[in-house]
Amino acid sequence: RKEVEQDPGPFNVPEGATVAFNCTYSNSASQSFFWYRQDCRKEPKLLMSVYSSGNEDGRFTAQLNRASQYISLLIRDSKLSDSATYLCVVRGDSNYQLIWGAGTKLIIKP
Amino acid sequence: NAGVTQTPKFQVLKTGQSMTLQCAQDMNHNSMYWYRQDPGMGLRLIYYSASEGTTDKGEVPNGYNVSRLNKREFSLRLESAAPSQTSVYFCASSTRQGVTGELFFGEGSRLTVL
Repeated sequence: RKEVEQDPGPFNVPEGATVAFNCTYSNSASQSFFWYRQDCRKEPKLLMSVYSSGNEDGRFTAQLNRASQYISLLIRDSKLSDSATYLCVVRGDSNYQLIWGAGTKLIIKP
Repeated sequence: NAGVTQTPKFQVLKTGQSMTLQCAQDMNHNSMYWYRQDPGMGLRLIYYSASEGTTDKGEVPNGYNVSRLNKREFSLRLESAAPSQTSVYFCASSTRQGVTGELFFGEGSRLTVL
């Protein structure tokens, strides 16, 4: 089993719709979780951190479910510009080691 | 607003050739990293430098060497390139020893080894 698993997609979603995807992690002791966004042939950029209490930033909501060992990302009122690959990231055993999922590709269609 | 700058952006090598990827950041970050990204896989850490003067192996260090030249610069060297090293390489930096989880990435270097 991979340490961080994501559905690769692609998720094809009409503009304005709500879309959600999950990411599962294997290490129950993991403490820090993040969502990054990566546009095609570009570098990853931090989208948001995922806190135990959840985290909301505008149209984006991230949730953590420790019991089932997954984190989720919800995007409301999706825009064409939301088309990207979303990378789930879990901190490893040290502050310097982040474990990356392979990403979920999202395509927003007009 | 340069951020993290990597060179070269593209490189084609023959098996056995050597090359160095250069990385520089202007954000006064302590920590720097080299990752590789392959299709269908998450980013994998090759080496990192927690602070100037230190370097440590990551998940996939074999076939690579690094040098933290000063606080700004962190280079990655392939001594004898192999086709398995065909990948996109990203340099990144972070503040506060990576605690916040926010890494700032360069634009990537696409390496093909024939």
